[in-house]
Amino acid sequence: AQSVTQPDIHITVSEGASLELRCNYSYGATPYLFWYVQSPGQGLQLLLKYFSGDTLVQGIKGFEAEFKRSQSSFNLRKPSVHWSDAAEYFCAVGPILTGGGNKLTFGTGTQLKVEL
Amino acid sequence: GAGVSQSPSNKVTEKGKDVELRCDPISGHTALYWYRQSLGQGLEFLIYFQGNSAPDKSGLPSDRFSAERTGGSVSTLTIQRTQQEDSAVYLCASSLEWFPGDTQYFGPGTRLTVL
Repeated sequence: AQSVTQPDIHITVSEGASLELRCNYSYGATPYLFWYVQSPGQGLQLLLKYFSGDTLVQGIKGFEAEFKRSQSSFNLRKPSVHWSDAAEYFCAVGPILTGGGNKLTFGTGTQLKVEL
Repeated sequence: GAGVSQSPSNKVTEKGKDVELRCDPISGHTALYWYRQSLGQGLEFLIYFQGNSAPDKSGLPSDRFSAERTGGSVSTLTIQRTQQEDSAVYLCASSLEWFPGDTQYFGPGTRLTVL
């Protein structure tokens, strides 16, 4: 069965510092990979997604993620964090075959705190 | 345009009561999903509807949970005989198509508290 691991439950960074959130997945083949962000009291918003092509994916709000097949990882990065980036971040995988539908499997999330 | 909306935003109920949670997807989206977000289980898939096909109910935790989608639009998630472990945030999402990789747009969720 597929699974997603986000090893860091909480991360604290200073405003302006760089950020990397880790995500590892277990799947039969390279799945669709997603990063979502959830601000307090809000639904999930898609930051970026990857299936094929360039392994460095650009997303919204200045985020990017790098897919590394050899490590089964899809880490999210941002060069300079803003206080408004404080939120919970979820990595997710989705099937690539039509028969698998489009249901997502999520990691447990990483809560990001930004210190001013 | 309007996003996914859910109602109510909060629901408090007593153990054993039935509850209905509503989801209005983005207009024109053919696929609709329900997920549950709870402290112990994280975000987990419950059920999804794809066009006119039979729904994928593989994530429903028990037969107390059911969902329907009327007219290919609004969906209602029903929990019968609620238990305290049903307390969670129930998130609805929709996507334009049901193909793998289609972006899912999430609503703000309904927070269910079972006393």
